[in-house]
Amino acid sequence: DVKVTQSSRYLVKRTGEKVFLECVQDMDHENMFWYRQDPGLGLRLIYFSYDVKMKEKGDIPEGYSVSREKKERFSLILESASTNQTSMYLCASSPDREVDGYTFGSGTRLTVV
Amino acid sequence: GENVEQHPSTLSVQEGDSAVIKCTYSDSASNYFPWYKQELGKRPQLIIDIRSNVGEKKDQRIAVTLNKTAKHFSLHITETQPEDSAVYFCAGAGWAVRGKLIFGQGTELSVKP
Repeated sequence: DVKVTQSSRYLVKRTGEKVFLECVQDMDHENMFWYRQDPGLGLRLIYFSYDVKMKEKGDIPEGYSVSREKKERFSLILESASTNQTSMYLCASSPDREVDGYTFGSGTRLTVV
Repeated sequence: GENVEQHPSTLSVQEGDSAVIKCTYSDSASNYFPWYKQELGKRPQLIIDIRSNVGEKKDQRIAVTLNKTAKHFSLHITETQPEDSAVYFCAGAGWAVRGKLIFGQGTELSVKP
């Protein structure tokens, strides 16, 4: 009963390519988040969204953009992939009614060559 | 800005011993503190959380304590088992940021049989 689904588990892309990472949740959550996870650096917030067509920058937004056209879907876009964007990308969602824990997706391990 | 520091970064214990992971936070408005467990190759899973109106919470072998005055909180695992081996993340959030979690850097716990 997967509740947050990331479209790809593993992805290999070339430098300069435009990359789309998709995330879909079926819990009717208002809040959605994109993190990247690197050894020793923990989970760093890239972008988040509290509503459809709304987005806010996190701590490391450079080189990324996002799209939220529907409540259940939050896409992360790498406009021109670079090798330093090789990482594990985690999507998460949470309800807006109170501060609460996230439900994470399984993650996408992206390698840029 | 908001910050959560987590220590230690690695922790090795013998099976049956206790393990303690500590976190400090900078934002005095934070009022929600979850802990996540991430097994190798899997998504982070919420294992326990605590809100600022509570000083301690227990769930079987896991407990979390919160000291709001000192702005720190800790995860305690008793009678550790090999299946407790994982990376553990603490996080903090407050109403002012609509539930956006700030994560610690993670602790890799190894339980040796």
